[in-house]
Amino acid sequence: DIQMTQSPSSLSASVGDRVTITCRASQSISSYLNWYQQKPGKAPKLLIYAASSLQSGVPSRFSGSGSGTDFTLTISSLQPEDFATYYCQQSYSTPHTFGQGTRLEIK
Amino acid sequence: QLQLQESGPGLVKPSETLSLTCTVSGGSISSSSYYWGWIRQPPGKGLEWIGSIYYSGSTYYNPSLKSRVTISVDTSKNQFSLKLSSVTAADTAVYYCARRGYSGYDLEWIYYFDYWGQGTLVTVSS
Repeated sequence: DIQMTQSPSSLSASVGDRVTITCRASQSISSYLNWYQQKPGKAPKLLIYAASSLQSGVPSRFSGSGSGTDFTLTISSLQPEDFATYYCQQSYSTPHTFGQGTRLEIK
Repeated sequence: QLQLQESGPGLVKPSETLSLTCTVSGGSISSSSYYWGWIRQPPGKGLEWIGSIYYSGSTYYNPSLKSRVTISVDTSKNQFSLKLSSVTAADTAVYYCARRGYSGYDLEWIYYFDYWGQGTLVTVSS
């Protein structure tokens, strides 16, 4: 199985901050990397697929980059509704595996 | 708008079989090229993909659960179902159903979970 490791596990930031979350795969996955946002008690929501493609309806302050083993999710200017947990997920091979999550909290 | 809704018992006894159904509305489960899947999340923990099914019945499962999992589809009801046998407390989780969407990428396809149900908590306890 491909292991996905996110860092940091948790992060405190303020509204308006620029935030970056990192995801590392245990082997190269090209750009087969997706990002999800999950709020408490809710299902995950797809934000970005193919490492850098923005899902329809997702604000442009979200962006993704990377290929191979190292990927980043960037939020350019944090909004109050962005405080949530973020997961990366590889779709290069099965089983589809997720990172352990990064909890983004209000400072 | 496509919607998915999980249903089934919220409490299952150890060693018994967990059974859940996902009802799809706003679209056909028989739509070409979409797989439909189950993902779970233990309380306070991360996400684990369980398995996926095509409307034809073709399935693929997470090897870590494969010996205990069966996913089936009923196209006449626009539903697909999950059965997990011999459950233990470690199977306590919120269970989500989801659609595996896809997009063209570099002459191949990239897959992601683009529509999710709201999730249902299943507790394994006597």
